[in-house]
Formats: sequence, C-alpha cells, structure tokens
Amino acid sequence: KAGVTQTPRYLIKTRGQQVTLSCSPISGHRSVSWYQQTPGQGLQFLFEYFSETQRNKGNFPGRFSGRQFSNSRSEMNVSTLELGDSALYLCASSLVVRSADTQYFGPGTRLTVL
Amino acid sequence: SQQGEEDPQALSIQEGENATMNCSYKTSINNLQWYRQNSGRGLVHLILIRSNEREKHSGRLRVTLDTSKKSSSLLITASRAADTASYFCATDARNTDKLIFGTGTRLQVFP
Repeated sequence: KAGVTQTPRYLIKTRGQQVTLSCSPISGHRSVSWYQQTPGQGLQFLFEYFSETQRNKGNFPGRFSGRQFSNSRSEMNVSTLELGDSALYLCASSLVVRSADTQYFGPGTRLTVL
Repeated sequence: SQQGEEDPQALSIQEGENATMNCSYKTSINNLQWYRQNSGRGLVHLILIRSNEREKHSGRLRVTLDTSKKSSSLLITASRAADTASYFCATDARNTDKLIFGTGTRLQVFP
C-alpha cells in the first residue's frame, strides 16, 4: 500500500496570507490527524477527523481549520498567517480509532512564513 | 502542553553500544507509543505498549512501562549509525482521546 502523502512538501508564504495543506491517508484508513511541529513547542496536536467529522481538536486558534472528504482525504487551512505559524505540519492516518491505533505519518509540509 | 518529558534531551554513543531513553508522563494512560523521526521528516511508529503490559520487545528494541511511576524507557541494543534520529514517546491519556507527544530525545550514533 502507498503511504500517507502530503502536498505540497514545501511552502513559502507571507504574513496575512492563507494556506491550504493536503493529506491523503493510507487506503482504508478513516482517521486523519494533524500535528504542528516547531523547535520551541515540539509536536502539538491540531485536530483529528474520522468519517468526515472532527472528533477532537487541540488548543489552536480558530485560524486553523480542517476538513475531511468522503474518500478520507483531508485538508487543513491556516488563515491570516503569522510568523509563528512557520512549522512542519504532519498528517497521520490510522485504521479506526486514533488513540489506540498505530499512527502512520506522512513526510510533512514545511511551511515558512515571511 | 506536553504530556511526556523525555530524558536525556540528547544522547551520543558509538556503534554497538546500547542506547536508553526515558519518558515520564503526567496522567493515567491507555497506552504509550514510541516513534522515531529522521531529521525533518515524518514519524515512524516503533512500538506500542498498553497500560497493562510491563515490557515489550521488537527486534533490537525493548520498551518497559511503569505505570506507578508514570514512566517508560526505550532501549536500543547494539546501535547502528542508521539509528541516528529523534525518538518520541506518545501517550494516549485517558479521558482526553488525544495522542500527546513528548519532547523527544536526539540520538546520535557514531560509526
């Protein structure tokens, strides 16, 4: 099976812009989670989607949003970008229930905000 | 906020030596997982240990879990240069339904 794919792999934006990141989970996986990784804060949970519904959300402002499509592909959107949003954004998929299941991570999208 | 704190933050060893890294967490958990991350890339799942298990092995990896001390350790035996990476513990805390990652240990294995 193909692994988790994320597009784009690298992105450069300026403050105030918005960005959309995409994640395609492993075929058959219905749960998709998003994480933000920065040197200062480490790996922070953003949100999780299962069967097109947001199941859980981390402590991020409303500028961060996401959605999941019927084919389990997911997108996350960040509006009004700030310098502090520069990070590696990781997507992970799992077969059923995220917390009890192995997470399969994509390679990440490196976002740089200038 | 971080549920897990890992110790040491960084570890340098020679090939063939064993590497031990520790993870402490704050609240009761359902399970604890260990992941590896090569520089700037995605994470790779290594092993999952449930709260009712005390020890688990997978190849050169040995994981222990002490729920009374809220701590876990990952032992990599006979390390190789290819083991150079950051290692993270992740806990599935009860009543949160979130997977919370620790701060990570950067392991450098010199040939």
